[in-house]
Amino acid sequence: NAGVMQNPRHLVRRRGQEARLRCSPMKGHSHVYWYRQLPEEGLKFMVYLQKENIIDESGMPKERFSAEFPKEGPSILRIQQVVRGDSAAYFCASSRGGQETQYFGPGTRLLVL
Amino acid sequence: LAKTTQPISMDSYEGQEVNITCSHNNIATNDYITWYQQFPSQGPRFIIQGYKTKVTNEVASLFIPADRKSSTLSLPRVSLSDTAVYYCLPSPGGTSYGKLTFGQGTILTVHP
Repeated sequence: NAGVMQNPRHLVRRRGQEARLRCSPMKGHSHVYWYRQLPEEGLKFMVYLQKENIIDESGMPKERFSAEFPKEGPSILRIQQVVRGDSAAYFCASSRGGQETQYFGPGTRLLVL
Repeated sequence: LAKTTQPISMDSYEGQEVNITCSHNNIATNDYITWYQQFPSQGPRFIIQGYKTKVTNEVASLFIPADRKSSTLSLPRVSLSDTAVYYCLPSPGGTSYGKLTFGQGTILTVHP
């Protein structure tokens, strides 16, 4: 049973470009969460989605960041016009339900030059 | 939201038992306590979860006293590969949704 998959594992972007991070949840999981971990810091919640719905985006910056989890395909975290401060590790987690154990993917490390 | 407090770091030696205690004085009635392990450049890995008393799995044991204001993760006979950051956090078990709040965690270093 494959775990949470994220791709790419590493992503390099220049300032002003767009970054797209993908997350495929574990089989049978319909709840997806995105977290960001800045260097030397703990993980911070960004957004919680179910299929085709954003449940909680209280941790997501209001500008340039968006997330979706379509009916078919992976969840996508999109960062427009990236800046150096967006450089971080972005982790996706999935669960069967909103109150059940979250399992994390390996992360995408974004570096903005 | 319950705030958790853990030691910033701990040191141990191979073969020893390690106990990491976490305090969570304001834990909500319906919240569980969950522990994750994180290695450098990897995502957090679920270790164990409990509500009260003692839970044991193939990796660790978790002790939660009756007042639930603290919990202790016990790692038996650690090895060098157990060197990692360990996070204790309340996980919603009631009507609230599963937004996890990670603290600083405990950096465990296992020495040969």
